[in-house]
Amino acid sequence: EVKLVESGGGLVQPGGSLKLSCATSGFTFSDYYMYWVRQTPEKRLEWVAYISNGGGSTYYPDTVKGRFTISRDNAKNTLYLQMSRLKSEDTAMYYCARGDFDYWGQGTTLTVSS
Amino acid sequence: DIVITQDELSNPVTSGESVSISCRSSKSLLYKDGKTYLNWFLQRPGQSPQLLIYLMSTRASGVSDRFSGSGSGTDFTLEISRVKAEDVGVYYCQQLVEYPLTFGAGTKLELK
Repeated sequence: EVKLVESGGGLVQPGGSLKLSCATSGFTFSDYYMYWVRQTPEKRLEWVAYISNGGGSTYYPDTVKGRFTISRDNAKNTLYLQMSRLKSEDTAMYYCARGDFDYWGQGTTLTVSS
Repeated sequence: DIVITQDELSNPVTSGESVSISCRSSKSLLYKDGKTYLNWFLQRPGQSPQLLIYLMSTRASGVSDRFSGSGSGTDFTLEISRVKAEDVGVYYCQQLVEYPLTFGAGTKLELK
């Protein structure tokens, strides 16, 4: 059974940092590119990061470029999202998703507030 | 960036009816390989989004044949036949033809 389990969310002050994790199982992690997607409190879905299966290629939207870094550890079957210089507009539920968006985790919540 | 537009459904639907949900893109999603890079998702209350349709018209694994996708390069439709209570939720379309990947705002399906 394919599973993706996000963790690491929480309450952070503006300007702060946080690292999210997405532990995977049930498939060959190193065969798949991966994504992070967030859902705002208004329920809008926003793509925030992409990483190739080997980790050598990454993409970000302008809204997070330079502040967020996606990475992966194929030996640990785990995806990460390092977030820095956080803003209130980064407040959202963060999901990891497998390459074709065919499997999503249950999400982890980030709140950026003072 | 490609803008994806979804309309709100005008009225709740009755179980057993059919419903069409529309999605429009500001740019053609037809890629040079001949494939149209549009996904449809359903997010049921309290759950993560679930992939229903990919490449505009291909049902994802395990998805009921009551769901079908169609369209052109910029105008797309998700048809749901014989609506059931389990179909209630928000339907999102997403373009994957270019980065940044973008989603529509969602269309909420409610039952009478």
